[in-house]
Order: sequence, then structure tokens, then C-alpha cells
Amino acid sequence: QKEVEQDPGPLSVPEGAIVSLNCTYSNSAFQYFMWYRQYSRKGPELLMYTYSSGNKEDGRFTAQVDKSSKYISLFIRDSQPSDSATYLCAMRVSNDYKLSFGAGTTVTVRA
Amino acid sequence: DADVTQTPRNRITKTGKRIMLECSQTKGHDRMYWYRQDPGLGLRLIYYSFDVKDINKGEISDGYSVSRQAQAKFSLSLESAIPNQTALYFCATSERGLSEQFFGPGTRLTVL
Repeated sequence: QKEVEQDPGPLSVPEGAIVSLNCTYSNSAFQYFMWYRQYSRKGPELLMYTYSSGNKEDGRFTAQVDKSSKYISLFIRDSQPSDSATYLCAMRVSNDYKLSFGAGTTVTVRA
Repeated sequence: DADVTQTPRNRITKTGKRIMLECSQTKGHDRMYWYRQDPGLGLRLIYYSFDVKDINKGEISDGYSVSRQAQAKFSLSLESAIPNQTALYFCATSERGLSEQFFGPGTRLTVL
């Protein structure tokens, strides 16, 4: 079993819809949670970064962490065609540099 | 100009050939990493370096070697390429103590 599980999709939604992405994990020691966005033929770029449980909002993006369920989510409101990309979750323990990545979910927002 | 650059961007080679992928950064970061990305498997760490004299194996280092020529340069070598090393390869950098990693644009390597 992988340490971080992420449904690869693909996910296709109409413009303006809410996109919901999630990851589950098995290591209860994970404390830092990240979402990266990767456009086609580009490297991943950090989108959201959260510590421990709770919500974090940044514009149209909301990240949620539920440590009791070992489940993290990313919501994209009012989705735009420019949000079409692969979204990767990543996480780490507090005293280690090493990131554990999900496989990524490919999202297409249709105009 | 990009902060993290990788060369080449695409490479096709044959089984048994030696290949070197190069990474340069202008971010001034101490830490550099090499990952490979495969469909359905996400990003997996090959090697990492915390400074010029500190190089460490990641989770999938077999068949690979690295060289940290300077703070800004980190190269990945495949001594004798094999087809299952066909993948996207990414270099990343980070500051000491921070978890945010900045990725280069990637190299698409195909081994025939």
C-alpha cells in the first residue's frame, strides 16, 4: 500500500464549477501538507501549504486537513480553464525534509 | 530567466548508454534534489544534496549517480541506461530548514 493515495482521475468539469480533490495517507506522523500544481510540460509549483489540521483559504483555493481521518482536500471555487493541470498532494513529518507525494489528479476545466 | 533550469529538456537514448542530466539554480539554495515522475506513481526521490560535500541516496537510487559540482549545480547520471528508466526527471531546490521545494521544468528521458 502506498503511503499517500490520490485518485488520478482524470476529472473534467465545466467552467465555474467547484473542483474537489483529495488524498488519504497512512503515516499519522505527517504534520505538513502541501498541494502542488503542475501544468503540462512544466515542473510542479507550490499552491497551498498547511500545518496540522484545519482549513486554509487563498483566493479561490481552500485546503483542508483532517488528521483524525488521515484525509486532506483541495477545493477550487469558480474554476477557470487556466486551472486545468495536474494537482499533486505532498506531505512530510515535522523533523524531516523528505516529501511523500500522491500520484496526482489531472483536472480539465471546460470553457 | 528561470530560477531552476534543466538540460536537456528531452532526450532519447539507447539501452546501455551513459546519460547525464544537468540542473542549475540561481536561487542561492543549499539543498538540491533529483526526482523521477512516472504515471500513477507520483514523484519519487532519487538523490539529494544538502551542500557541496553532502550527498545522500533517496528511495530509488539504484542505477543512478550524482555530482554536486558547485552550490548551484547538481547533475544526475545514468551509467548504463535501461528502458525502465524512461520517465520525467525533475530537479528541485530548497532553502535550509524550509520544506518548500522549487522545481525545474523537467527532462523527458526515453530509453529505447
